[in-house]
Amino acid sequence: DAGITQSPRHKVTETGTPVTLRCHQTENHRYMYWYRQDPGHGLRLIHYSYGVKDTDKGEVSDGYSVSRSKTEDFLLTLESATSSQTSVYFCAISDLGPRGQGGVEQFFGPGTRLTVL
Amino acid sequence: GNSVTQMEGPVTLSEEAFLTINCTYTATGYPSLFWYVQYPGEGLQLLLKATKADDKGSNKGFEATYRKETTSFHLEKGSVQVSDSAVYFCALSEGSSGSARQLTFGSGTQLTVLP
Repeated sequence: DAGITQSPRHKVTETGTPVTLRCHQTENHRYMYWYRQDPGHGLRLIHYSYGVKDTDKGEVSDGYSVSRSKTEDFLLTLESATSSQTSVYFCAISDLGPRGQGGVEQFFGPGTRLTVL
Repeated sequence: GNSVTQMEGPVTLSEEAFLTINCTYTATGYPSLFWYVQYPGEGLQLLLKATKADDKGSNKGFEATYRKETTSFHLEKGSVQVSDSAVYFCALSEGSSGSARQLTFGSGTQLTVLP
């Protein structure tokens, strides 16, 4: 299994509070991703990173920010949590393929279940 | 934009039955295609993949063939087991060389296999 951990694994918070989720990898992979999983929607990309300090928005980035100050860590922050952000959040990583193409396979962490009351 | 459409679930089968989960996609270029599996309480695991037309991905008795002419990547298994009970996601990725390849997922299909 790829070395990916997420913390915390479960969190309950109140509307309006800031929340930071952490993804840590030991694989030295270049790319990191944050997804949210909601019933009927599969997984949707929030933000991704293609290197230290290099990030970009995904499909559902509103209300979220990210930071990557080290290769191994990718943080997802909800500046002011809302009930619509109740979800399961997954981090994923990938690396360059054998011919230098962008990471083909993504490996997923165990997820963080966030409940916003 | 890219999209993936999966067969609606849930799907309930008896052990040793034949499984098909349909997946079709829309993409602007030449995507890679994947099936991921999620067991209860866990993250997603890559089950199989295909990176070009007519490729067949296979793993653990599951197979899927990349059909460009029908834009499909249906998942099949000849004889399912109780341990195959999980949620299955079809996904595609596109990206230029050296860039991050974003995954676009289908909504998932819940499979339950009864003994």
